[in-house]
Amino acid sequence: DTGVSQNPRHKITKRGQNVTFRCDPISEHNRLYWYRQTLGQGPEFLTYFQNEAQLEKSRLLSDRFSAERPKGSFSTLEIQRTEQGDSAMYLCASSPVTVYGYTFGSGTRLTVV
Amino acid sequence: AQKVTQAQTEISVVEKEDVTLDCVYETRDTTYYLFWYKQPPSGELVFLIRRNSFDEQNEISGRYSWNFQKSTSSFNFTITASQVVDSAVYFCALSGSGYALNFGKGTSLLVTP
Repeated sequence: DTGVSQNPRHKITKRGQNVTFRCDPISEHNRLYWYRQTLGQGPEFLTYFQNEAQLEKSRLLSDRFSAERPKGSFSTLEIQRTEQGDSAMYLCASSPVTVYGYTFGSGTRLTVV
Repeated sequence: AQKVTQAQTEISVVEKEDVTLDCVYETRDTTYYLFWYKQPPSGELVFLIRRNSFDEQNEISGRYSWNFQKSTSSFNFTITASQVVDSAVYFCALSGSGYALNFGKGTSLLVTP
C-alpha cells in the first residue's frame, strides 16, 4: 500500500478551461475527502464520499465543481470554467470507517493563469 | 459552528529550544476529535495525533507532547529540544458531529541551527 495518491502533482491551466484531478485512496478505506488549501491558510473541506455516495458538500463547492467516486475506489474532482481564484492546492484524504483518522495525499497544485 | 484558532502565525527558535504551539477551539458538540498535522515544505500533511473529547490525558511521543484542557478549550503542542527537521507548518484541526476537519490557519515554525 503506497498511501493516498494524487495526480497530477501540478497543473497550469488558462482561465476558462476545465481541469480534472484524480485521487486514489488507500485501498481498504471507505471514506474519501477533498480539501482545498490556499496560500497561508489551512485546508478547507470541500466534499466527502462514503464508498460511491457523496454524503456531504461544502458551500465552497460551487456549481463549477463536481466530484465523483464511481465505483467506490478512486475519485475525480473536476473544475469547469476555471477562474484565477481557483488557484490552490487540492488535497485528497481517505480513512477507514471504523477508525477516525485521515491520511492525506500530496495534493495537486493548480495554477490558473 | 466550529472554529480553531492558532494565534501564533510564525515562530522562530534556535535548535534545542523547547517550543509550544497554541490551539484554541470552539464547538457545541459534546463528542469531538482534535488533531495535529505537520506540513513540511514538500506539502504533504503528516498526521501527528488524534484526541477525542473524553480523553483529557496528556500524551508524550518522543520529543512531542500534547496538553488537552477542556476547561480552556485548548489543545497545545510542545516540541522539546527542537531540531531543524521540525521546521514546518503545523495545523490544529477539529472534527465534531460531521466528518469534515476544520483546520486552523497554521503556525509556521522555523528552527535555526
